[in-house]
Amino acid sequence: DSGVTQTPKHLITATGQRVTLRCSPRSGDLSVYWYQQSLDQGLQFLIHYYNGEERAKGNILERFSAQQFPDLHSELNLSSLELGDSALYFCASSRRPNEKLFFGSGTQLSVL
Amino acid sequence: AQSVTQLDSQVPVFEEAPVELRCNYSSSVSVYLFWYVQYPNQGLQLLLKYLSGSTLVKGINGFEAEFNKSQTSFHLRKPSVHISDTAEYFCAALNNNAGNMLTFGGGTRLMVKP
Repeated sequence: DSGVTQTPKHLITATGQRVTLRCSPRSGDLSVYWYQQSLDQGLQFLIHYYNGEERAKGNILERFSAQQFPDLHSELNLSSLELGDSALYFCASSRRPNEKLFFGSGTQLSVL
Repeated sequence: AQSVTQLDSQVPVFEEAPVELRCNYSSSVSVYLFWYVQYPNQGLQLLLKYLSGSTLVKGINGFEAEFNKSQTSFHLRKPSVHISDTAEYFCAALNNNAGNMLTFGGGTRLMVKP
């Protein structure tokens, strides 16, 4: 158990809908990272938050947004969902930016 | 339940020596396998992956890994390491059954000494 909790584990929804994925980092970790998993390219970095502030942005679509709350948990919001958004979404946390990562178990999103 | 085990949390090695980072997975179904690297003060990078075909997979920076189904292993190797290979290495397994579960190992810290 890495100590990083992601909910829900599975999410099935329809095109055009909006969903929220939640991540609770390990106790004491201030950094939270979101990734999208694809078979071709592996984990694609989406966004990084550190202590409540956005630190870095990767290949994140404008339809996607995220935030980190004062209690350090983070939410990834995906809106106007398309079939191509179906993927595994991962959260990882670290004590400080770019220190060793600890991974959650992922949320499998299926857009039908 | 699927699990990925990286037996060594730290591997110290001298520069130009060979190295093997071990990874074992437990899964009763077909898996895809990945090695990721996290260099100091950097994010995560894909080193190599096994999806199908040849069991010997070559990745970036001279690394390679061999998929061994009978031993459920996917060990990472490099014949001669450099100081710049010092990093955290993560093995991951993707269960390509319904549910597509990706599981990470705990990571192995490779420390290359001069």
